[in-house]
Amino acid sequence: VQLVETGGGLVQPGGSLRLSCAASGFTFSTYGMNWVRQTPGKGLEWVSTVSGSISSTYYADSVKGRFTISRDNSKNTLFLQMSSLTADDTAVYYCAKSRTGVASDFDFWGQGTLVTVSS
Amino acid sequence: EIVLTQSPATLSLSPGERATLSCRASQSVSSFLAWYQQKPGQAPRLLIYDASNRATGIPPRFSGSGSGTDFTLTISSLEPEDFAIYYCQQRGNWPPLTFGGGTKVEIK
Repeated sequence: VQLVETGGGLVQPGGSLRLSCAASGFTFSTYGMNWVRQTPGKGLEWVSTVSGSISSTYYADSVKGRFTISRDNSKNTLFLQMSSLTADDTAVYYCAKSRTGVASDFDFWGQGTLVTVSS
Repeated sequence: EIVLTQSPATLSLSPGERATLSCRASQSVSSFLAWYQQKPGQAPRLLIYDASNRATGIPPRFSGSGSGTDFTLTISSLEPEDFAIYYCQQRGNWPPLTFGGGTKVEIK
């Protein structure tokens, strides 16, 4: 299993960014996928989950209405579209595979991509 | 939202000693609790799922126990590579999925 995130970088407050996660080594379409972020001050924070085949989506209250999770099962890729970014969104964003179902723990993680929101 | 409180914040031990880490949930999560290990510059690694099941490839010195609101991760005899930060995470009552604040196991 390999998960490779891309798309992080420096963005101004109020700006947008799209993260991608390329997955390999497992049947992507049959597993829920997640974004989890980590900051030094707040530790690990679950951001969003998308289910496998029917793509039901779930969000933390802190990002609801601003972030959109999606997946392209034909390309084994997970996305996170982030908008109206604030300094509080500055973090390392990890893509993580659900071990089971949708409400899951995470058995594989990517290496993370850093998002910095600053003017 | 389920709040997970980990204790102690830091555990100072020597190699070969036993480590006992605690995770307490603000309400019952049944047995739906996981433990992760994270080393500097790395992503978290799943150690234990559903309170007491070792993930693939995890050595038997790691064990988990508990249910409801009180959970324990035990490392029976610390190896040098075990010094790291450990997090618990619940999936018993969601959304949201939540994590504890972490316990750092450091070399004494």
